[in-house]
Amino acid sequence: GDSVTQTEGPVTVSESESLIINCTYSATSIAYPNLFWYVRYPGEGLQLLLKVITAGQKGSSRGFEATYNKETTSFHLQKASVQESDSAVYYCALGSNTNKVVFGTGTRLQVLP
Amino acid sequence: EAGVTQSPRYAVLQEGQAVSFWCDPISGHDTLYWYQQPRDQGPQLLVYFRDEAVIDNSQLPSDRFSAVRPKGTNSTLKIQSAKQGDTATYLCASSFFRASNTGQLYFGEGSKLTVL
Repeated sequence: GDSVTQTEGPVTVSESESLIINCTYSATSIAYPNLFWYVRYPGEGLQLLLKVITAGQKGSSRGFEATYNKETTSFHLQKASVQESDSAVYYCALGSNTNKVVFGTGTRLQVLP
Repeated sequence: EAGVTQSPRYAVLQEGQAVSFWCDPISGHDTLYWYQQPRDQGPQLLVYFRDEAVIDNSQLPSDRFSAVRPKGTNSTLKIQSAKQGDTATYLCASSFFRASNTGQLYFGEGSKLTVL
């Protein structure tokens, strides 16, 4: 079936360090999946961070970036310099043209001051 | 605009009891989802609707779980005879089915269920 595998957490980095959270996907029933990163900040609900619907394109939001790589079936999340306020749980997800959305297990990020 | 509303926020049951969760999606959103999220795991799709029709309920344990969306707006997820393994947060989400926005979901705050 369709699935997403991402970096196991928790991931701990110091403020101003760079970050990468790996995400790979398997889309056996979706020819052209859309890819997403969702985030849950402490005390808040799950919300969309960024999305890319075309292979080869890059999405960005709040200083985070992710590139849709169809060859390696990857969608890694990167940030050059994290802040303490980035501490959250990050979920990679893939969506089909029927609006079915499958999530990864989530990666908890802790940024130390 | 108002977001996705869920109730109750918390429920604590003994095994064998029943519970219903209610969801009010964003106005105008035709697609509604129910996810189950056990602690420290990702959301797992149970069922989703477009308007009042079930699109996919293949992951819904049909012997004890049921979900309806009779008028294509609000939805109810019911668990009969709850088990300890049902302990999780139940998330409702909605979206507007449009190719460019496929997969962009708006989530409620969730209903946290504990089965003792």
